[in-house]
Amino acid sequence: AQSVTQPDIHITVSEGASLELRCNYSYGATPYLFWYVQSPGQGLQLLLKYFSGDTLVQGIKGFEAEFKRSQSSFNLRKPSVHWSDAAEYFCAVGARTGRRALTFGSGTRLQVQP
Amino acid sequence: GAGVSQSPRYKVAKRGQDVALRCDPISGHVSLFWYQQALGQGPEFLTYFQNEAQLDKSGLPSDRFFAERPEGSVSTLKIQRTQQEDSAVYLCASSLSSGNYEQYFGPGTRLTVT
Repeated sequence: AQSVTQPDIHITVSEGASLELRCNYSYGATPYLFWYVQSPGQGLQLLLKYFSGDTLVQGIKGFEAEFKRSQSSFNLRKPSVHWSDAAEYFCAVGARTGRRALTFGSGTRLQVQP
Repeated sequence: GAGVSQSPRYKVAKRGQDVALRCDPISGHVSLFWYQQALGQGPEFLTYFQNEAQLDKSGLPSDRFFAERPEGSVSTLKIQRTQQEDSAVYLCASSLSSGNYEQYFGPGTRLTVT
């Protein structure tokens, strides 16, 4: 069965510092890959996605992620964090065929210090 | 345009009561998903509709959970004889077509069973 691991439950960074959130997946084949952000009391907003092609994908709000097949990873990065980036971040995978449901990791809570 | 909306946003039910949660997807979106998000966890898939057809209900945790989308638009998730373990945020998502993997999420309904 597919699974998604986000090893960091909670990360604190200073405003202006760089950020990397880790995501590893276990899957039979390369899935579709997503990063979502959830602010308190809000639904999930799609930050970026990887379907195929260039393994470095750009998203909204200055985020990017790199797909590394050999490591089964899809880490999220941002060069300079803003206080408004404080939120919960979820990595998710979806099958390329068949089942349409997304499988999510358990999330990483990002705290930004002034 | 309008995003996915859900109502009510908050629901408190006494154990044993039935509840109904509503989802209004983005207009024209063919696919609709329900997820359950327990506190501190990532969303977990419950069920999937393509138009009015429920194509996947493998995630429904028990026969107390029932979902419908009779006209291929609004969907209702019903939970009968609620139990404390049903307390969670219930998220609805929609996507444009069965072949489109970008899911747009609503704000969720927070269900508390006392």
